[in-house]
Amino acid sequence: GAVVSQHPSWVICKSGTSVKIECRSLDFQATTMFWYRQFPKQSLMLMATSNEGSKATYEQGVEKDKFLINHASLTLSTLTVTSAHPEDSSFYICSASRPLAKNIQYFGAGTRLSVL
Amino acid sequence: GQNIDQPTEMTATEGAIVQINCTYQTSGFNGLFWYQQHAGEAPTFLSYNVLDGLEEKGRFSSFLSRSKGYSYLLLKELQMKDSASYLCAVRDRGSGAGSYQLTFGKGTKLSVIP
Repeated sequence: GAVVSQHPSWVICKSGTSVKIECRSLDFQATTMFWYRQFPKQSLMLMATSNEGSKATYEQGVEKDKFLINHASLTLSTLTVTSAHPEDSSFYICSASRPLAKNIQYFGAGTRLSVL
Repeated sequence: GQNIDQPTEMTATEGAIVQINCTYQTSGFNGLFWYQQHAGEAPTFLSYNVLDGLEEKGRFSSFLSRSKGYSYLLLKELQMKDSASYLCAVRDRGSGAGSYQLTFGKGTKLSVIP
């Protein structure tokens, strides 16, 4: 079964609103979680690395004030897309690194965001 | 940075064997991964290689040659449900606090036909 849970799976929102996406590791503690974005027919692009209890590390070109990441516990990381605009519409996927399994990343089911 | 190259598309017949190749260039290599991704879904983990050689797991096998910067994923006894994109990903130590980051190739879309 799934080892990483991601919610919601699909969200439609109006331009200017904020959307929060949750990522949970279900049966292990994940000190590191990752957030990716994937546009149609393209590969996954890493947005940021989220470490429990510290600030996230953002990839070049990703606005940290727009994509707020919080990793308050060893099993939960959240991504908040603030003041969403249509160009933020994408497939957002989280993953959690499993320390006792060679740090293999296991992915959540993804969140499809559509901003009107 | 990394440069990961894999074929864009492949087609194979049900019951056959298909090999998907991946070449990469990276520093601080710390493992190569294969993931399967069906359309509209998140990737699922298939295999992991960090040492040279072949790793076998049921119908799927993955090979790595670190000196050549080369890996392949071998799928045997193809089934229709194997139609998906197969992503090659390389892990290295990255920069800053982002240790053990994965960089993904663009994926190979495999179509299995009757």
